[in-house]
Amino acid sequence: AQRVTQPEKLLSVFKGAPVELKCNYSYSGSPELFWYVQYSRQRLQLLLRHISRESIKGFTADLNKGETSFHLKKPFAQEEDSAMYYCALPGKAAGNKLTFGGGTRVLVKP
Amino acid sequence: NAGVTQTPKFRVLKTGQSMTLLCAQDMNHEYMYWYRQDPGMGLRLIHYSVGEGTTAKGEVPDGYNVSRLKKQNFLLGLESAAPSQTSVYFCATAPRARGDYGYTFGSGTRLTVV
Repeated sequence: AQRVTQPEKLLSVFKGAPVELKCNYSYSGSPELFWYVQYSRQRLQLLLRHISRESIKGFTADLNKGETSFHLKKPFAQEEDSAMYYCALPGKAAGNKLTFGGGTRVLVKP
Repeated sequence: NAGVTQTPKFRVLKTGQSMTLLCAQDMNHEYMYWYRQDPGMGLRLIHYSVGEGTTAKGEVPDGYNVSRLKKQNFLLGLESAAPSQTSVYFCATAPRARGDYGYTFGSGTRLTVV
């Protein structure tokens, strides 16, 4: 069965330091992967998807099929990056269902 | 343009009581979902719908029922609330387009069952 694992529940970094959120998955085939973010008092929203290979708000994520990982990285964290981050993996059946990881809370200290 | 609206935003229930959560969307999306969010467990899919009049079970459907009588509304019902259903409930929508996983989320309903 497909699964998404985010091993860190909390990441605390200082402003300007690099931050890396780990995401590992199990999936047979070629997956698409996504990162969603929930800022304080805001709705969950899509941050980025691997297929677009884009950088959003300074974040990038590379799909590593050999290690079955999709880690989210930012070289210089900002205080506004403090949020809850979820890695997500689509299912194979119809309906565009997503399986989410357990989430990582990022706290960027001044 | 409201997007996805969930009502109520907060609710406290006693064990055994029933309630219905409403998700309303004005985005003309075909797909709608109900997730619950619990610390350390992320979001888990309860039920979903791929169109008006259709519903299907997700990962954790027990204790919940849903209905999608109108395309724009997706209702989540708890017939007999239990403390284990204390959670934050999120509704999300997505267009039918294959591979479009850009969900639009509601603001959530915080439910406490005592």
